[in-house]
Amino acid sequence: KAGVTQTPRYLIKTRGQQVTLSCSPISGHRSVSWYQQTPGQGLQFLFEYFSETQRNKGNFPGRFSGRQFSNSRSEMNVSTLELGDSALYLCASSLLGFEQFFGPGTRLTVL
Amino acid sequence: GENVEQHPSTLSVQEGDSAVIKCTYSDSASNYFPWYKQELGKGPQLIIDIRSNVGEKKDQRIAVTLNKTAKHFSLHITETQPEDSAVYFCAASQGQAGTALIFGKGTTLSVSS
Repeated sequence: KAGVTQTPRYLIKTRGQQVTLSCSPISGHRSVSWYQQTPGQGLQFLFEYFSETQRNKGNFPGRFSGRQFSNSRSEMNVSTLELGDSALYLCASSLLGFEQFFGPGTRLTVL
Repeated sequence: GENVEQHPSTLSVQEGDSAVIKCTYSDSASNYFPWYKQELGKGPQLIIDIRSNVGEKKDQRIAVTLNKTAKHFSLHITETQPEDSAVYFCAASQGQAGTALIFGKGTTLSVSS
């Protein structure tokens, strides 16, 4: 069974731009969660989607948004990028929400 | 807000020794506690988890214990091997839903041969 895939793996953007990251969950998984990982703050929950609906949301500004498609694939978008948004963005998929399996992440660098 | 404290931040052991990592959580409603291993350049890998209705769970060389009254849980790795070297994260579910995980800051485990 293929694991969670994330594209692109690396991304460089400049302040003020926007970015879209993509995540394909494990086949059959309907829940997709997004996390931000930084050296200072560690792993922080962004939001979770289940059957195309946002089911849970972390404490991030409105510049961070996401969506899920009918095939369970998910995207997250960050608008008006700031230097502090540089991080590893991780996507995790789950059958129902508990056991979460992570992808390799997208490394975003904001210059 | 909800918080997970993890200790120690670094741990060095000799091959064959045991390693123990401890976490405490603040949300009384948390009912799911996974442990992840993250190697350089990779995403976190789920290695073991425990639900609140269980006190202990074991999988080969890895075991996790949970004390809900004291709100702490621990990871035990026996007979450590060099390939166990990685960063380990504990996490607790935010509330009972389990869909949002609150992570500890991580423990860097080094196993020397």
